[in-house]
Order: sequence, then structure tokens, then C-alpha cells
Amino acid sequence: GAGVSQSPRYKVAKRGQDVALRCDPISGHVSLFWYQQALGQGPEFLTYFQNEAQLDKSGLPSDRFFAERPEGSVSTLKIQRTQQEDSAVYLCASSQTAGVNTGELFFGEGSRLTVL
Amino acid sequence: AQTVTQSQPEMSVQEAETVTLSCTYDTSESDYYLFWYKQPPSRQMILVIRQEAYKQQNATENRFSVNFQKAAKSFSLKISDSQLGDAAMYFCAYRTTMNYGGSQGNLIFGKGTKLSVKP
Repeated sequence: GAGVSQSPRYKVAKRGQDVALRCDPISGHVSLFWYQQALGQGPEFLTYFQNEAQLDKSGLPSDRFFAERPEGSVSTLKIQRTQQEDSAVYLCASSQTAGVNTGELFFGEGSRLTVL
Repeated sequence: AQTVTQSQPEMSVQEAETVTLSCTYDTSESDYYLFWYKQPPSRQMILVIRQEAYKQQNATENRFSVNFQKAAKSFSLKISDSQLGDAAMYFCAYRTTMNYGGSQGNLIFGKGTKLSVKP
């Protein structure tokens, strides 16, 4: 596609439900990042993929958060047993290159998760 | 660890006027990248301008320019001839150039400044 696509754009979940958020990066982009943006805050890093390899998951807040990118393209962020503090916008970004030569990050429009 | 601070939660500017958004950062690294991103209500982050720390010259992109003061660890954004479409959240961000073997491309963001433009 022309840009980074995320779905769903809005998700309302009851506390305790599992949710899955999808990111479709720009075709051919090697790097993929997930960020969590709480209301009124800047995005905070969750995890990073280089192709299908998850090289950094240091930002995942708990073991209820899990991300995958099995074929090096589409990525899914899964949150198990959602809690109210998980309510946020989840942003995905991709870049054509990786490592120290990572180029411009292109962001999707995000998925807004509301946990009731 | 690197941190980015934006001390102005909100700013306002009259259309056609100039406004400056502040950003300071903390790092022990000598080479890095700094960015300003714009986030309109649609939520999609858009790159406004980028500065490489080893370059002395301040970056400029049309009406947007930066004042990069490396010793002071300051990186402010100046918007000239402000337009209604400039109204958005603006985020300052830092990126390392060090090879940690992981997500070197990761951005560290400040909390943002909400810019309003008055007609």
C-alpha cells in the first residue's frame, strides 16, 4: 500500500478481553516499530522488528503484551486480559532500512483502544 | 538513558505570525539525530524536520527551521508565516546512532506541545 495501514482504528474492549491490533507496513520496509501513546503524552516505544526478527521488546509493559511479524511484513500486537491502563493509541511505524542507517519512520494513523 | 523535554504544553500563534517551540534533551552521546514531528487530529505522525548532531548548520524546510544548540542540548522549532493547517501537536524526538544491536532506529519522544493557530 501507499502508507502504513493500521486496523482497527477504534477498539472498545471489556476488561479482561483479549485484543489484536494489526499493522500493515509499507511494502518492502525492513524495520517495524510499535509505540503506545497515552492521552496527552508522547509515544513510548514498545517493540521493534527487523524483518521477522523481534530484536527489541524492552518496552512491552507486561507479559500480557505480545507482538509478532511472522513473514516479515504484517505485524500483530496482541494484548491479553486487557486492563484499563492499557487504554491508549497504539502506533505502528515502518522504515525502509534498519540499524544505524534507519531511514525516515513512516507512521500509521494508530489504533485507539478503550478498555471499559 | 536519553530523555526529551518539551516544557510548553500549549502554544498559540496568530495566523501569519512566527512561533517558536522549545525542546531540550539529555544524552551522553556525541552523535545522534533530532526530529520534529507533527501530529494532527487524524493522529498520523508526519516528519517536519530532521537535524544531524554532527552538522553545525541548522536545518530548514520551507517555513520550518530549527535552532540547534548542541552544547546547551536545545533544539527549538521555528514556524514562520503560521497557517491554519499548522495547528497540531508537535513532538520533539531523539534517535541514537550507536550500534546497540537492537532498535537503533527507535525514537524517544517528548510529551508534545499543542499549537493553536488563530485566524
